[in-house]
Amino acid sequence: GQNIDQPTEMTATEGAIVQINCTYQTSGFNGLFWYQQHAGEAPTFLSYNVLDGLEEKGRFSSFLSRSKGYSYLLLKELQMKDSASYLCARRDRGSTLGRLYFGRGTQLTVWP
Amino acid sequence: EPEVTQTPSHQVTQMGQEVILRCVPISNHLYFYWYRQILGQKVEFLVSFYNNEISEKSEIFDDQFSVERPDGSNFTLKIRSTKLEDSAMYFCASSEALGGWEQYFGPGTRLTVT
Repeated sequence: GQNIDQPTEMTATEGAIVQINCTYQTSGFNGLFWYQQHAGEAPTFLSYNVLDGLEEKGRFSSFLSRSKGYSYLLLKELQMKDSASYLCARRDRGSTLGRLYFGRGTQLTVWP
Repeated sequence: EPEVTQTPSHQVTQMGQEVILRCVPISNHLYFYWYRQILGQKVEFLVSFYNNEISEKSEIFDDQFSVERPDGSNFTLKIRSTKLEDSAMYFCASSEALGGWEQYFGPGTRLTVT
């Protein structure tokens, strides 16, 4: 299967921490990516995980468990500008140039 | 900072017409992609391209679609005979490394077929 599941919407307040979960199914996993997409704009790369564990990049961290087919994106010290759609995307082995399979995205709204 | 550019930003065309969407990838990148996003839906892969050849294409990329790198800078997507369901945002992306750990997306072309 090629399903990627993530919640449709989430809300949080400024300064808080939010965790966006993503589950996937694949027979040949080769990387899990997170992108941010503001309305009407292009996806912007945030992070990727190939091996299990946590990758930290400033206010953003991403975690992967390959055995569970599970990843999450953690956003700390939320700011209003973090209101956007967060896209989980999977890459499979056998795709030479790294075709990405995207989930539907999680629309995050940050309130003051 | 280098970026992927796309033209036009918005294209309106009538059903059955041909359209060409243009992209200028980041200059030292060698791997190129087209994705599309129908309004309110997920981003979908169309095609990847390297060394003047299609590397992989999805089931969406049928005979009415073609890609070309006509010179050293441009990368184009042609839709031969547009259909209403081709209305979408089309994103070009490029990457530097084989396997494309980070794909850089352009701002997109919004195609409206009437």
